[in-house]
Amino acid sequence: DQQVKQNSPSLSVQEGRISILNCDYTNSMFDYFLWYKKYPAEGPTFLISISSIKDKNEDGRFTVFLNKSAKHLSLHIVPSQPGDSAVYFCAALGRGGGTSYGKLTFGQGTILTVHP
Amino acid sequence: DGGITQSPKYLFRKEGQNVTLSCEQNLNHDAMYWYRQDPGQGLRLIYYSQIVNDFQKGDIAEGYSVSREKKESFPLTVTSAQKNPTAFYLCASSIGGRSSYNSPLHFGNGTRLTVT
Repeated sequence: DQQVKQNSPSLSVQEGRISILNCDYTNSMFDYFLWYKKYPAEGPTFLISISSIKDKNEDGRFTVFLNKSAKHLSLHIVPSQPGDSAVYFCAALGRGGGTSYGKLTFGQGTILTVHP
Repeated sequence: DGGITQSPKYLFRKEGQNVTLSCEQNLNHDAMYWYRQDPGQGLRLIYYSQIVNDFQKGDIAEGYSVSREKKESFPLTVTSAQKNPTAFYLCASSIGGRSSYNSPLHFGNGTRLTVT
């Protein structure tokens, strides 16, 4: 049961344009969401996060939007740069399983390619 | 320079052999995690540990074992019982503790295990 889904395996955009990466979730207990960026043969690095009490969080060229009613979040990168080419993972955090510790659930990832 | 070190980067084993993957962190983090990455499946949690001498099964713990005897170290053993051991394995850590519920994970650069 895939609780966090990234339905687009890949996305290709032109340098300078906007990149929009999407993520859907099914578990209403998730209350915190994160995006990670991963280059080949390296570990993921944290990019940006958003709490469920907000609908938008911005950090430089990166903005994450959360639509709780639709259980949908998106990552916007403006303007896109060739160095942004990587795999982007959406992750959701929720309490449960008899513990108050958070457990991250990851999506499948989306490969972003930014062409010069 | 703080971080997470996974070694080796590439590991080859014959089927039927147990193999142990190393993970060391000098971030003074309480929590440590092991994930597995397979194409098209994102990151799946194998085991996690919130504190020394304690660890919990993740979503796909069968065929794996861990220990957490020291705060800095969280080795993962892939046993011969793991049916599909060939994968990219990622170790991560976070501050941990109940007061840091949404602290981001810091990942190592991974170990690619190939079993033939």
